[in-house]
Amino acid sequence: QKEVEQNSGPLSVPEGAIASLNCTYSDRGSQSFFWYRQYSGKSPELIMFIYSNGDKEDGRFTAQLNKASQYVSLLIRDSQPSDSATYLCAFSNRDDKIIFGKGTRLHILP
Amino acid sequence: DAGVIQSPRHEVTEMGQEVTLRCKPISGHNSLFWYRQTMMRGLELLIYFNNNVPIDDSGMPEDRFSAKMPNASFSTLKIQPSEPRDSAVYFCASSLKRGGSNEQFFGPGTRLTVL
Repeated sequence: QKEVEQNSGPLSVPEGAIASLNCTYSDRGSQSFFWYRQYSGKSPELIMFIYSNGDKEDGRFTAQLNKASQYVSLLIRDSQPSDSATYLCAFSNRDDKIIFGKGTRLHILP
Repeated sequence: DAGVIQSPRHEVTEMGQEVTLRCKPISGHNSLFWYRQTMMRGLELLIYFNNNVPIDDSGMPEDRFSAKMPNASFSTLKIQPSEPRDSAVYFCASSLKRGGSNEQFFGPGTRLTVL
């Protein structure tokens, strides 16, 4: 069974601090990794994807991938109240299927 | 671009009734996915199509669920008969696989309540 494990939270972070979200996955054949953000009552939206080991930065967001440890993380710098949401970690193999974790609820404290 | 369109946005029905959810993917996308989301189970893939052909329906919970994609711009998910445990938010998503990217774009979802 392919699985994605995330801490459900809530993770509370003061405004302006770095929020660190973590995820592990079970399938060593995974090739693509995604972070989706989902606001309450809304649909998931992609914020980052990463294929290679190491870091990938996009604005205030940095995704980190370590395939040997089967670990992927998302760092949010200068956290804003608008970052408060549920963050879904996901992966896929060569096919089109994406397997999602249950998400981590992030709460940015003003 | 209008994005993925789903209808209805909300559906309340009684146990035993037939429910049909509809989805229009983004024009030009060649893959379509149906998901169900609940607090307990998270976001679960039910079925996905590639070029209108069902590829993997292993997530469809039982025979009461069926999905069709008669053409590239329309898909339906049907539940017959519906049961209270089917209450959830159902999302449709579409993607266009280009190179290594298979980003999925989600519709707004249909919130289904079965009484």
